[in-house]
This record gives sequence, C-alpha cells and structure tokens, in this order.
Amino acid sequence: EAGVVQSPRYKIIEKKQPVAFWCNPISGHNTLYWYLQNLGQGPELLIRYENEEAVDDSQLPKDRFSAERLKGVDSTLKIQPAELGDSAVYLCASSLGSEELFFGEGSRLTVL
Amino acid sequence: EDQVTQSPEALRLQEGESSSLNCSYTVSGLRGLFWYRQDPGKGPEFLFTLYSAGEEKEKERLKATLTKKESFLHITAPKPEDSATYLCAVRSYGQNFVFGPGTRLSVLP
Repeated sequence: EAGVVQSPRYKIIEKKQPVAFWCNPISGHNTLYWYLQNLGQGPELLIRYENEEAVDDSQLPKDRFSAERLKGVDSTLKIQPAELGDSAVYLCASSLGSEELFFGEGSRLTVL
Repeated sequence: EDQVTQSPEALRLQEGESSSLNCSYTVSGLRGLFWYRQDPGKGPEFLFTLYSAGEEKEKERLKATLTKKESFLHITAPKPEDSATYLCAVRSYGQNFVFGPGTRLSVLP
C-alpha cells in the first residue's frame, strides 16, 4: 500500500516569494492534516480536513497561508508571501476516521 | 487545553543499556495516546496507540505503558538502529492530536 506522498521534498525561496506544497494521502483516508514542524519540536497542526471540508483551520495564518482539498483526495498548502520565519518542515498526514496518523516524508522549506 | 511534555529532552545510551522515556500529559478526556518514531529528514512513523490506564503494547525492543497521567516507552537492550526522536501525542474527544517536543535517543555501539 502506498503511503502519504508529498512534494517537493525541499524548497529554497527568497522571502516574499510564493510557495506551494502538495500532498496525496493514503487511498481511502478521509481525514487529511497539514502540520508544521520546527527543529527540535513536535508537529503543530495547521489545518484538518474531513473529506473536502476544512473542519479546523484555527491555527492557519490566513493572511498568508491557504489550503485546499479538491474532490476530497489530494491537497495543496500555499504560502504567499513567504517570510523568514516560515522556514520549517511541512508535514502532511492522513487517517481513517480518528485513528492513528500516517505521515508523509515532509517538505522542508528554507526562506532566504 | 491538552498538553504534552516529554523527558528527557535527549538521552544517550550504550548499546544494550535499557532505559525509559517519559510522556506526561493533561487532557480533558483521553481518546488515545500515541507514540511515534521520527528519523532525521523523515516524517513520524507510527508505533503504538494506548487507550486506557494499565494498557501495555510491545514491539520488538519497545514497550509502551500508560497511566492516568503519563506514559512510558521502555527500550530493552537497545541497538544503534533504535536511535531516533520519539514523539508522544494525545487526542481527546472532539479535539485534534497534540504532540510533545520529543526525546532524541542516541544509542552508541
């Protein structure tokens, strides 16, 4: 069974530039999460989707971050414009209902 | 608000030297406590779910236990390949997963 797929794995951009991350969850998993992980810290939730609906986006900085999950399958997380403090690893995870999360490899963003 | 702390922050063991990692939590109503392993440059990998106090789960050299306030991840006779960051997370009813900061484990040959 294929796991959670994320791309790109690495991205280096100048501040104020836009960036987008893509995630394809495990087939059949209705719940999709985007997490942010800073060095030496645990993942922090940005947004959670149940099928196509964003059911919790309270921690998403909406002035510069946006996300979508069209057709309830894959998802895109966008940052525009990026700031120096956005440098981190962006993790996508999926689950079947409320059971354990399965994570992708992550997308490491460096903002210069 | 659900909270998770982990100790120690980092642990260095000699191969074969058993030890335990601690995860302390406060949660309104525990739906599940989860342990993950994370290797450098990788996403967290699921290890265990514990649901109620007194429950134990084992996998190879790892054993997870749960009380009403904390969970322990016991590592018996560790090998260098057990070196990783171990993350603990809790989920309460109607809430999202909350992760601790992790314990960085290094097992020296």
